[in-house]
Amino acid sequence: GAGVSQSPSNKVTEKGKDVELRCDPISGHTALYWYRQSLGQGLEFLIYFQGNSAPDKSGLPSDRFSAERTGGSVSTLTIQRTQQEDSAVYLCASSLRAGGPTEAFFGQGTRLTVV
Amino acid sequence: ELKVEQNPLFLSMQEGKNYTIYCNYSTTSDRLYWYRQDPGKSLESLFVLLSNGAVKQEGRLMASLDTKARLSTLHITAAVHDLSATYFCAVDEGGGADGLTFGKGTHLIIQP
Repeated sequence: GAGVSQSPSNKVTEKGKDVELRCDPISGHTALYWYRQSLGQGLEFLIYFQGNSAPDKSGLPSDRFSAERTGGSVSTLTIQRTQQEDSAVYLCASSLRAGGPTEAFFGQGTRLTVV
Repeated sequence: ELKVEQNPLFLSMQEGKNYTIYCNYSTTSDRLYWYRQDPGKSLESLFVLLSNGAVKQEGRLMASLDTKARLSTLHITAAVHDLSATYFCAVDEGGGADGLTFGKGTHLIIQP
């Protein structure tokens, strides 16, 4: 696609439910990042994938968070047993590669509200 | 742990004025990025700075990088209302580790 695509754009869920957020990176981009942005805050790094290598999960806030990237392309971020503090905008970005000086392009984000 | 600090975090200014946003970071890096975010929107890449002394300009915005001082600046010249947004700087330590580390952003309001 022409840009990074995320779905859904908005998600309201009840506390305790699981949610899945999807990211389609730009075609040909091998690096994929997930960030979280809470209201009025900066961006918090969650996880990054480089091609088919094992992901860097160092930013995941708890074991309720997990992510997969199938075939080096589409990624899914899963939050289990959601809590109210998980409410935020989840942003996905991709770049040509990790480790190289290439800019990252962001999707429109998924706004998650846990009630 | 890499820390990225922006200041100011909030800035209200009048059209026609000049101002500078500062981005300090705590570790050696020569890869710094500036992004713009409009309310309810995602981040748009503005500048990519990849060496000491790099200077990039686009319209009324100019960004520079001093890797020795671990400082980047985003200078606004003769501000116009359309530049109202939140501006983020981000630093890449290289090697693919930890993605980009972002500052908290500078919320810029330009009043007519």
